[in-house]
Amino acid sequence: DQQVKQNSPSLSVQEGRISILNCDYTNSMFDYFLWYKKYPAEGPTFLISISSIKDKNEDGRFTVFLNKSAKHLSLHIVPSQPGDSAVYFCAARGRNTGNQFYFGTGTSLTVIP
Amino acid sequence: DAGITQSPRHKVTETGTPVTLRCHQTENHRYMYWYRQDPGHGLRLIHYSYGVKDTDKGEVSDGYSVSRSKTEDFLLTLESATSSQTSVYFCAIRGSTGTNTGELFFGEGSRLTVL
Repeated sequence: DQQVKQNSPSLSVQEGRISILNCDYTNSMFDYFLWYKKYPAEGPTFLISISSIKDKNEDGRFTVFLNKSAKHLSLHIVPSQPGDSAVYFCAARGRNTGNQFYFGTGTSLTVIP
Repeated sequence: DAGITQSPRHKVTETGTPVTLRCHQTENHRYMYWYRQDPGHGLRLIHYSYGVKDTDKGEVSDGYSVSRSKTEDFLLTLESATSSQTSVYFCAIRGSTGTNTGELFFGEGSRLTVL
C-alpha cells in the first residue's frame, strides 16, 4: 500500500509563474519529509526537506509547506524556470519506519518558455 | 557529488541468469540503500544496510539479496533474474546524524534489462 502519494502524474506551467507540486501521506508517524528532483538518465537529487515540527521551509525559489492535520505537503517553485523541468518525488520517513524512506510515484513538471 | 559509483550502468541479461550490481561510496557513510524505479511506482526500497554485515529488507525484497562486507561497498544480487526485475536500480547513501534527519544521496542508476 502506497504510504506516500503524488496524485498528479504531470504538471505544465509557464515560465515565471508558480509551480505547486502536491504530496499526501497516510502514515501519521512520518516526521521528516523531503523533495527530490530527477532529470532523465540521472539519479534523484535532494532539493529541500522539512521536519514535522515546522510547517514551512524555504530555500531560494523553493518552499515546502507541511499540513500535518491534512497529512499533506506541497512544494512551491517561484518563479518557475525551464531548467526546473524534471520529475519531482516527495519522500518521508518516521519514528516507526526505522531507516526506511518512502517515496511517492513522482510528478513530471514541464516549464514552458 | 556525493561520491557514489554504480556499476554496471547498463546491463542486458537473460531470464534465469544471476546478476550483481555494485554500489561503491567514498564518503564513509553508514547507511546504504538499493531502490528500484518503475513507471507508476516511483522509487521502492529493495534492501538497505546500516553497517558492515548489517542489512534489512525493504518493500520489494523478494528475489533480491544483498551483502556488505566493507563500509564502501553494497552489492545487490538477483540470484535468477526474471523479466519483472527489468528496472532502473538506484543506490543511495546517508550519513549518521544526531537527529532523525539526514537526506539520501543517490547514484546515477543502473539500467537492467532481463530478456
